[in-house]
Amino acid sequence: GESVGLHLPTLSVQEGDNSIINCAYSNSASDYFIWYKQESGKGPQFIIDIRSNMDKRQGQRVTVLLNKTVKHLSLQIAATQPGDSAVYFCAENSGGGADGLTFGKGTHLIIQP
Amino acid sequence: DTGVSQDPRHKITKRGQNVTFRCDPISEHNRLYWYRQTLGQGPEFLTYFQNEAQLEKSRLLSNRFSAERPKGSFSTLEIQRTEQGDSAMYLCASSYGPGSGNTIYFGEGSWLTVV
Repeated sequence: GESVGLHLPTLSVQEGDNSIINCAYSNSASDYFIWYKQESGKGPQFIIDIRSNMDKRQGQRVTVLLNKTVKHLSLQIAATQPGDSAVYFCAENSGGGADGLTFGKGTHLIIQP
Repeated sequence: DTGVSQDPRHKITKRGQNVTFRCDPISEHNRLYWYRQTLGQGPEFLTYFQNEAQLEKSRLLSNRFSAERPKGSFSTLEIQRTEQGDSAMYLCASSYGPGSGNTIYFGEGSWLTVV
């Protein structure tokens, strides 16, 4: 079935560098996408979202890019800090009756000192 | 705004026992969701409510799972006759309005261990 997935399970970056986490989705009906950060033992924390009528959205140190042509979503984190270490999930909402989010498996971001 | 609150945070139960989890959503949110998350996986959608109406429950894992939101505020998720495969984190989330385009906020989860 259609699902949201991630290209890399683990990403290691140097503190202060920028990081890019990628996500591929296959449901062309999805109209809303969200990035969540999840630290060990905690619930997912909302980072940033984007609707399908946009291709870029910026927040504080984070940028989400949406390429609907190739069904690709990315999260860019600028000047990574130790506190950015976590698992990052992309999620999509395809609307319709279920109204639940479909999550990918996540990327574990490791910040090296 | 105190966020989504879940209770208990941790529960260890013997196989065959019933367990119930409670969720208090963000106060002005009319939509409430339940998800399950196992180690190394993303959260898996189970069910959701709009006010007190349960609008989707086909994703509940079996008929041992049930959820209620009697007054449109807090919700409970009950698992009857627990099995070891039910061990997971159960997440509650809430939003104001439909999930498409309205931010869904998660609680810290309730960990269930079935022994």
